[in-house]
Amino acid sequence: AQRVTQPEKLLSVFKGAPVELKCNYSYSGSPELFWYVQYSRQRLQLLLRHISRESIKGFTADLNKGETSFHLKKPFAQEEDSAMYYCAGLLGKVTFGTGTKLQVIP
Amino acid sequence: EAQVTQNPRYLITVTGKKLTVTCSQNMNHEYMSWYRQDPGLGLRQIYYSMNVEVTDKGDVPEGYKVSRKEKRNFPLILESPSPNQTSLYFCASSTQGGDEQYFGPGTRLTVT
Repeated sequence: AQRVTQPEKLLSVFKGAPVELKCNYSYSGSPELFWYVQYSRQRLQLLLRHISRESIKGFTADLNKGETSFHLKKPFAQEEDSAMYYCAGLLGKVTFGTGTKLQVIP
Repeated sequence: EAQVTQNPRYLITVTGKKLTVTCSQNMNHEYMSWYRQDPGLGLRQIYYSMNVEVTDKGDVPEGYKVSRKEKRNFPLILESPSPNQTSLYFCASSTQGGDEQYFGPGTRLTVT
C-alpha cells in the first residue's frame, strides 16, 4: 500500500538552529513527492516538489531512494517558519502524511 | 484570480440533518478531491475525482458522498451527519496526472 510517514508530530527548535522534518515513503513504484505547508489559519500550499529540485524560503528536500526518504531541511530556522508541514506522495492518487508541527522558539 | 472556493466556511448542525459543502475551482482542473483534517491524524482523503462523472473512494469515505457533474464543481454530501464527522474539511484541485494541489480555505463542520 502507498504510505507516507512523518514520524514526528511536533518539532521544536530555537531560532537560528537547523531544521530537519522527516518523511519516509513506501510505494511500489517511483512516486512524485511534495512538501506542503499550512500556516496558522491558512490553507495548505505547496512548498516544494522533488522534481524541481529548487529551494523555497530556504528549505530544500532531497529524495533518497535507498532510504526511501524525502526529508525537509533548512539550515537556520526563522520564527515565520512555524507551521504545519505535510509530506505527500503521488502515484495515481495523492497520499499525505500525518503532518509535523514545527515550532520555532524565539 | 485562480482559486478554489468552499462554502460554507463554518457550519454547526445536528446529527442526522443532511448537508452539502460546495467546492468550486476556476482553473479547469481535471482532478479534485476532499480531505478531512483532524488533530494527530493529519490530512486524510475522503473522495477524489479524476474527471467529470469519475469518482473514487479515498481512505475514509464512510458517511460521505460526492458527485462530479461539472468539471468545476465537486460537492461533498453528508446524508446523515454524525458527531464523529466534526472536522475541518478541505477541497483541492490539480491538473490531471497530479501536479500541485490547490487547496480551498477549509470548512469547519461541527455536528452536535
